[in-house]
Amino acid sequence: NAGVMQNPRHLVRRRGQEARLRCSPMKGHSHVYWYRQLPEEGLKFMVYLQKENIIDESGMPKERFSAEFPKEGPSILRIQQVVRGDSAAYFCASSRQGRAFTEAFFGQGTRLTVV
Amino acid sequence: AQSVSQHNHHVILSEAASLELGCNYSYGGTVNLFWYVQYPGQHLQLLLKYFSGDPLVKGIKGFEAEFIKSKFSFNLRKPSVQWSDTAEYFCAVNSAGGSYIPTFGRGTSLIVHP
Repeated sequence: NAGVMQNPRHLVRRRGQEARLRCSPMKGHSHVYWYRQLPEEGLKFMVYLQKENIIDESGMPKERFSAEFPKEGPSILRIQQVVRGDSAAYFCASSRQGRAFTEAFFGQGTRLTVV
Repeated sequence: AQSVSQHNHHVILSEAASLELGCNYSYGGTVNLFWYVQYPGQHLQLLLKYFSGDPLVKGIKGFEAEFIKSKFSFNLRKPSVQWSDTAEYFCAVNSAGGSYIPTFGRGTSLIVHP
């Protein structure tokens, strides 16, 4: 199921720059989930979106992070003024239905490195 | 809040050895349990899941897991590993009827030597 596409696969940013991570869900999927994996930690939930709506952002840091899933185009996770602690792998998953996570499929992730 | 512990962070085995990866969760209610696998350079894939019924769950590629409610555990097993099983393994739990978004464990890196 290589249908969930994340790009770029690797992203290097200097401290203070902005990072934009893209996630194109599988065809027919309108639910997107973002997770972050910090070194030596598990996958941490960040945000769950439907088209044009943020359903659950309980895992999003309060500042500098935002996410959107427009009617057309990929879901975007935006990190403003990146810091070294933002270096991590960011994964997205998509599903056809909400509340049916076992039907979700993951992308290959974007590895963000802040230098 | 629910949490997941995977005790083995790095496991190294020889081919044909048996595998057991531990997973314990903390949550007081009814849960759904999952094991995901991530092969090198690939996306996470669902290996197996438990919702209800038989606590011994069989998944793809010869993997199985047993849900032991009294121990809050969902350990992953395979009787004989292969070199191609080299991957990262993640245990996850979500609360049935509650927050449907799974909480993941830290992951276990498995290396199988030929």
